[in-house]
Amino acid sequence: DIQMTQFPSTLSASVGDRVNMTCRASQSVSTWLAWYQHKPGKAPKLLIYAASKLGGGVPSRFSGSGSGTEFTLTIDSLQSDDFATYYCQQYDSYMCTFGQGTKLEIK
Amino acid sequence: EVQLVESGGGLVQPGGSLRLSCAASGFTFSGYWMTWVRQAPGKGLEWVANINQDGTETYYVASVKGRFTVSKDHTTNLLYLQMNSLRGEDTAVYYCARGGPAGLYFDSWGQGVLLTVSS
Repeated sequence: DIQMTQFPSTLSASVGDRVNMTCRASQSVSTWLAWYQHKPGKAPKLLIYAASKLGGGVPSRFSGSGSGTEFTLTIDSLQSDDFATYYCQQYDSYMCTFGQGTKLEIK
Repeated sequence: EVQLVESGGGLVQPGGSLRLSCAASGFTFSGYWMTWVRQAPGKGLEWVANINQDGTETYYVASVKGRFTVSKDHTTNLLYLQMNSLRGEDTAVYYCARGGPAGLYFDSWGQGVLLTVSS
């Protein structure tokens, strides 16, 4: 199975900051990589698919990059609504896997 | 508008069985992969099972293979997860989600349903 590792586990930032978080795959997944935002008690929300394509209705301050085994989610000009946990997911295989998440906290 | 609504959760004893349902609307159900994802208390998201458009292909995470069965009913637009031989570690919020048009990412999600396995 393909293992996905996210770091950091926790990220502290302020409104207006630019933040980056990383997702690493145990083997190449090409660009078959998605990012989700998840808030407690809510449904996860698709942000990015195909490593860099913006999901429907997602603000342009979110962007994704990378290919192969290393991927980055960038959030420009953090808004208060962005504080949540972020997960990457590979879909190179029918046996999908998620990373363990990066929790974005208010500094 | 795409809507996914899960139901069927609850409290079940270890070793017991339960079936979760997910009612889909607002899209052509038979044209999409569907998935179940779960989140145990205090843990991250874990993919559980995928089923293809016509229900002929299914895939499972190793920890549920042989115990869980995913299926689709295209006459009622319902996605199911039959769960047998339940264990404490199956306690989680279970989400159904729709596969994207360009791959097995998940572009629409339900609100989730809680399963508690405890004596």
